[in-house]
Amino acid sequence: DAKTTQPNSMESNEEEPVHLPCNHSTISGTDYIHWYRQLPSQGPEYVIHGLTSNVNNRMASLAIAEDRKSSTLILHRATLRDAAVYYCILRDVGDSSYKLIFGSGTRLLVRP
Amino acid sequence: NAGVMQNPRHLVRRRGQEARLRCSPMKGHSHVYWYRQLPEEGLKFMVYLQKENIIDESGMPKERFSAEFPKEGPSILRIQQVVRGDSAAYFCASSTGPSSEQFFGPGTRLTVL
Repeated sequence: DAKTTQPNSMESNEEEPVHLPCNHSTISGTDYIHWYRQLPSQGPEYVIHGLTSNVNNRMASLAIAEDRKSSTLILHRATLRDAAVYYCILRDVGDSSYKLIFGSGTRLLVRP
Repeated sequence: NAGVMQNPRHLVRRRGQEARLRCSPMKGHSHVYWYRQLPEEGLKFMVYLQKENIIDESGMPKERFSAEFPKEGPSILRIQQVVRGDSAAYFCASSTGPSSEQFFGPGTRLTVL
């Protein structure tokens, strides 16, 4: 079972920042926080991941709470192409298969 | 560098037939994962393979499903005697190692009549 909790859906206006929250209160010390997104009719796409410190890449930023029990994916300027289901996933480095366990994710709607 | 390739993209089978889904990982990737997505649901892990070895098949149904990743050629997910409940999108992902980012293919959409 997924170890994360996300809102079912969120809406945003184009060109505005979006903050997608994720709760993972049972996170262990060996869990990395990963975000993937799935555009309509496509396979999932890696977005970003982190362990303890905040992370930035060309797609997004990841803000991780000090106690690691929650995190927020930040899209700095939403575009229509960012409309997708966003999945927050914990990957345990102690798990030999490193499989991804997907929850139901957050469906992001972007208004023009 | 071509991405993960899956074929066919769409597959229609009648109940009782066999379905063979193929996945060609990205160049240089020797780790392959298969996931299944039922309509309106999230993806569920099925199996993780390295070249010629099954590492984790904890998500595979006990009967009718099998997977392989031979030394040469694509990874194959095989479903024997398909039933309507097997209708789903099947995604393959590949990576350079177990802790690395997974790159997903476009999926094969299986419809069982």
